[in-house]
Amino acid sequence: DIQMTQSPSSLSASVGDRVTFTCRASQSIISYLNWYQQKPGKAPKLLISTASSLQSGVPSRFSGSGSGTDFTLTINNLQPEDFATYYCQQSYSGPRTFGQGTKLEIK
Amino acid sequence: EVQLVESGGGVIRPGGSVRLSCEASGFNFDDYAMSWVRQVPGMGLEWVSGINWKGVSTGYADSVKGRFTISRDNAKNSLYLQMNSLRVEDTALYYCARPALRLSSYYGLDVWGQGTTVTVSS
Repeated sequence: DIQMTQSPSSLSASVGDRVTFTCRASQSIISYLNWYQQKPGKAPKLLISTASSLQSGVPSRFSGSGSGTDFTLTINNLQPEDFATYYCQQSYSGPRTFGQGTKLEIK
Repeated sequence: EVQLVESGGGVIRPGGSVRLSCEASGFNFDDYAMSWVRQVPGMGLEWVSGINWKGVSTGYADSVKGRFTISRDNAKNSLYLQMNSLRVEDTALYYCARPALRLSSYYGLDVWGQGTTVTVSS
C-alpha cells in the first residue's frame, strides 16, 4: 500500500502569512494527489484534486503543485477562516490512503 | 441538492456486526464511484473502502480487509458497508463520500455525508 507522509504535523502562522504544507508518497502517484481542509465538527472539504486542480468555489489563494512523490499545498495571504487541519490523499492505486494531517494554528 | 445521508451506526459489542447505509440524492448515483472514510474523534482520516460505479470493483484498507464488505444498490441510490467481527479500534465516525468526477476512481472526494458513529464497546 502507498504511505502518505505530511509535514509538519502542526504549524503556527498569522493572518496575511504565506504557508506551505508538504506531502510525500512512498512511491510515485503521478499527479493523483488531493488536498482537503477540515474544521472541527465538520466533514472534510476538497480543495485541490490531481495535485493542482482547484475545486470550484475554493479561493485562489490556495494552490497545489508537485508530481511523482513530492507535493505541496500553499496558502497565500492567510485568512482567519483558513485555520484548520489539512490532509493529503492519494487516489492513484490501492487503498486511497490519507496523510496524517497538518494542523494550522493561529500564532 | 446533492446530498449523502448515512445511517446505521450505534453501539455494538466486540465481535458483533452492523450494516451502515448511505442514501444519495441530487445526482446520478450510478455514474459515481463511492467511498467510506472513517475518523476517530480528534484523529486523522482513514479511507476504509471504495466501490466503482457498477459495483464490480471494490477495495479495502488492510485494517478492515476480510471483515468489512462494501456494496451498492444503484436502483435504490444507496451505498452500504457491512461490518463484521468488529473490534474496539473500529470505533469512529463513518462518512460516505463521492468523488468530484463521474465515471472515475481517480479524483478527490467532493461530496461528503454528515457521518454516522459506530462505537464498539463491551
